Amino acid sequence: DVKVTQSSRYLVKRTGEKVFLECVQDMDHENMFWYRQDPGLGLRLIYFSYDVKMKEKGDIPEGYSVSREKKERFSLILESASTNQTSMYLCASSGGRPWDEQYFGPGTRLTVT
Amino acid sequence: SQELEQSPQSLIVQEGKNLTINCTSSKTLYGLYWYKQKYGEGLIFLMMLQKGGEEKSHEKITAKLDEKKQQSSLHITASQPSHAGIYLCGADITGTYKYIFGTGTRLKVLA
Repeated sequence: DVKVTQSSRYLVKRTGEKVFLECVQDMDHENMFWYRQDPGLGLRLIYFSYDVKMKEKGDIPEGYSVSREKKERFSLILESASTNQTSMYLCASSGGRPWDEQYFGPGTRLTVT
Repeated sequence: SQELEQSPQSLIVQEGKNLTINCTSSKTLYGLYWYKQKYGEGLIFLMMLQKGGEEKSHEKITAKLDEKKQQSSLHITASQPSHAGIYLCGADITGTYKYIFGTGTRLKVLA
């Protein structure tokens, strides 16, 4: 069975803190993605990675960075959390073909106070 | 403006009724993906459509992609409370890994 896990379901952080969100997939997928989901805006792509140590900016990369040191793990980093980064964060992975469907983790609801 | 429009935004139906959700793009779709999301949780993959005119079914859910590959519909037959949730369409419009998503349709099924 396909499995994407995220390190936390709920997270509360203070403004200015450095925040790490971890995602692990067990499907040996090449591609991994980080999205944020906000009411009325849908899912927006932050970053994606198509191979270990490779990354590409999505539509809203500002204020975020990513790390992929191992194939199964993709981390999203908020260097200095701000209140406008309060959101639901979703990780996904997919196989090597561009049209392969993406499989999603359960999400992390991050609140920055 | 949203590149992928979903309609309706929300839907309340009586158990046992049929319903349809639409997803429309102004661009040709390389792939169209339907997901279901329970409130506050991740997305569950339902179906993928790639070819114009393609139709797929899973249990009581049927999805179609039109011939021009710009519109898809998701049809639920004899709805049940377990069908409740948010249905999202996602699409590949560039032939790369980058998907775009609609804003979702919230479905409530009354028992």
